[in-house]
Amino acid sequence: AQSVTQLGSHVSVSEGALVLLRCNYSSSVPPYLFWYVQYPNQGLQLLLKYTSAATLVKGINGFEAEFKKSETSFHLTKPSAHMSDAAEYFCAVSEVEYGNKLVFGAGTILRVKS
Amino acid sequence: SAVISQKPSRDICQRGTSLTIQCQVDSQVTMMFWYRQQPGQSLTLIATANQGSEATYESGFVIDKFPISRPNLTFSTLTVSNMSPEDSSIYLCSVGGDRAWNEQFFGPGTRLTVL
Repeated sequence: AQSVTQLGSHVSVSEGALVLLRCNYSSSVPPYLFWYVQYPNQGLQLLLKYTSAATLVKGINGFEAEFKKSETSFHLTKPSAHMSDAAEYFCAVSEVEYGNKLVFGAGTILRVKS
Repeated sequence: SAVISQKPSRDICQRGTSLTIQCQVDSQVTMMFWYRQQPGQSLTLIATANQGSEATYESGFVIDKFPISRPNLTFSTLTVSNMSPEDSSIYLCSVGGDRAWNEQFFGPGTRLTVL
């Protein structure tokens, strides 16, 4: 069965510091992985996705994520945090054999300090 | 990407009543989904809304409680029936995901409070 674990329900960084949000997946087959962001009182917006074309995926707003099969990880990073990055971030996994359904992690709230 | 709207954006309801949430997409889509996001929690898939047939519900969700309609390829409704305070959540519709590698696009959500 597919599942996603996000380590750290809350992450706090200073403005300009590195952002690292952790995501580990459990899947019996090569997965498709997604990172979404949710700003307060809004729906979810896709940041980036991994579809096996390249292990390092670049997304919007300067975010990127690296797929590491050996570690079953898909951590999200950004070199320099901005105040506008404060939001909740969700990692999600999808598999063909599970009807293409998205399974979400618990989410990580990112706080950016000035 | 598709533009998705939901109505209402928020509502406060009394227990025992029902609320119907609408999801409108600006283009025809094959797959539409309904999710629930309980306070402080992640998203849980309620059901897949199938055009021209009954919705496919996930474990823990039943049609009597969450009836879904999908009359065409651009519109769907979710009804939350006989509400209790435990139904207070954000309800989101999404489209896309026709293939496992295709992303889903989400509506802005409907924030429901049940008193």
